[in-house]
Amino acid sequence: TQLLEQSPQFLSIQEGENLTVYCNSSSVFSSLQWYRQEPGEGPVLLVTVVTGGEVKKLKRLTFQFGDARKDSSLHITAAQPGDTGLYLCAGGRAGSYQLTFGKGTKLSVIP
Amino acid sequence: DAGVTQSPTHLIKTRGQHVTLRCSPISGHKSVSWYQQVLGQGPQFIFQYYEKEERGRGNFPDRFSARQFPNYSSELNVNALLLGDSALYLCASSLGGTGSYNEQFFGPGTRLTVL
Repeated sequence: TQLLEQSPQFLSIQEGENLTVYCNSSSVFSSLQWYRQEPGEGPVLLVTVVTGGEVKKLKRLTFQFGDARKDSSLHITAAQPGDTGLYLCAGGRAGSYQLTFGKGTKLSVIP
Repeated sequence: DAGVTQSPTHLIKTRGQHVTLRCSPISGHKSVSWYQQVLGQGPQFIFQYYEKEERGRGNFPDRFSARQFPNYSSELNVNALLLGDSALYLCASSLGGTGSYNEQFFGPGTRLTVL
């Protein structure tokens, strides 16, 4: 059972466009991580958010953790072909040592 | 600084065989987690080890086992391989102490194909 739902599953956009991907759950998480994964490689950690309502910016990427800590979003401004990849969100809970991953959003940025 | 390393990178086995996958964590990290990622899915948690002790186990059969060594490296063993075990096996390391937000740093993975 996937406790984290990511949407959309697939996204194909032109270079320069903006986009937002979503990560939603009915459960509360104490932390939420976003990863980017390229084919045949391991996920690379982009950011960790831990406080409800928190917003973090990483160059053209903006991450937000929902007030209730059940959802998160990733916004990319002026997407570039190098942003292409699988974006995964993963939730952690206090007292549990595992991360629960969503299925990911596969992003293609066309030059 | 070296990141998480895994070996081998690729492996082909036949049904019924067993396999051992290896992982070395980032220097200073005491916790290693194993995940299975099948095509089109996110990683699924298998085990976490901290200071050589199993600290968590996901919903995987007893054919899956793991251990952590004094140098914090780890092995994942899978017995009686099934076709459905074909996947990318990911190792992740983390500091692992209490109070951490469970930030995990992944290796490149081992691609296992079971024929």
